[in-house]
Amino acid sequence: SYVLTQPPSVSVAPGKTARITCGGNNIGSKSVHWYQQKPGQAPVLVIYYDSDRPSGIPERFSGSNSGNTATLTISRVEAGDEADYYCQVWDSSSDHPEDVFGTGTKVTVL
Amino acid sequence: EVQLVESGGGLVQPGRSLRLSCTASGFTFGDYAMSWVRQAPGKGLEWVGFIRSKAYGGTTEYAASVKGRFTISRDDSKSIAYLQMNSLKTEDTAVYYCTRVSISEDYYFDYWGQGTLVTVSS
Repeated sequence: SYVLTQPPSVSVAPGKTARITCGGNNIGSKSVHWYQQKPGQAPVLVIYYDSDRPSGIPERFSGSNSGNTATLTISRVEAGDEADYYCQVWDSSSDHPEDVFGTGTKVTVL
Repeated sequence: EVQLVESGGGLVQPGRSLRLSCTASGFTFGDYAMSWVRQAPGKGLEWVGFIRSKAYGGTTEYAASVKGRFTISRDDSKSIAYLQMNSLKTEDTAVYYCTRVSISEDYYFDYWGQGTLVTVSS
């Protein structure tokens, strides 16, 4: 099955930029979606189709995807951005199509 | 406003069955695929499966870890999606989230319920 690898943690100072990577074999050929999950809450979609933002998501959140790595970028980080972030793809390349989540990254605002 | 409310969670013994429900409101339920995603305590997200809308045959897809044990169904007249879980194992212990699958060529989850906890233990 398809595997998505994320760094376990990223630390960033307020006002700085956080970059969260999501590695997968030729992930650039797939569409990547990103979710934010704050403690005790359900996940929220923050980026879809690599770089599109749902309504209500700040422009500070952006995404890119190329080669073997997709990246979620959070600019001008705020304390409220502290959360777990997960990437996700739909893998239809095998006999057993499936949705796959990344391992998750905990973002800590210093 | 889109709302998804899960129910039916609780404590169940290994080998037994449990059925979860997801009651939807705020959108035309029959137009959307619906999915279940779970999260074991302190762990990451794991896709369980989804059911397509009737327009796409109402067919289902499942994760390998639950295929043959779990069944997803839907009742469009009641705007409810179900997750029937049989032969439960301790490793099925998790919060189970109901999600709406966005209408697009790709399968991603644009709305989530608050989740219901399933504990499998003797």
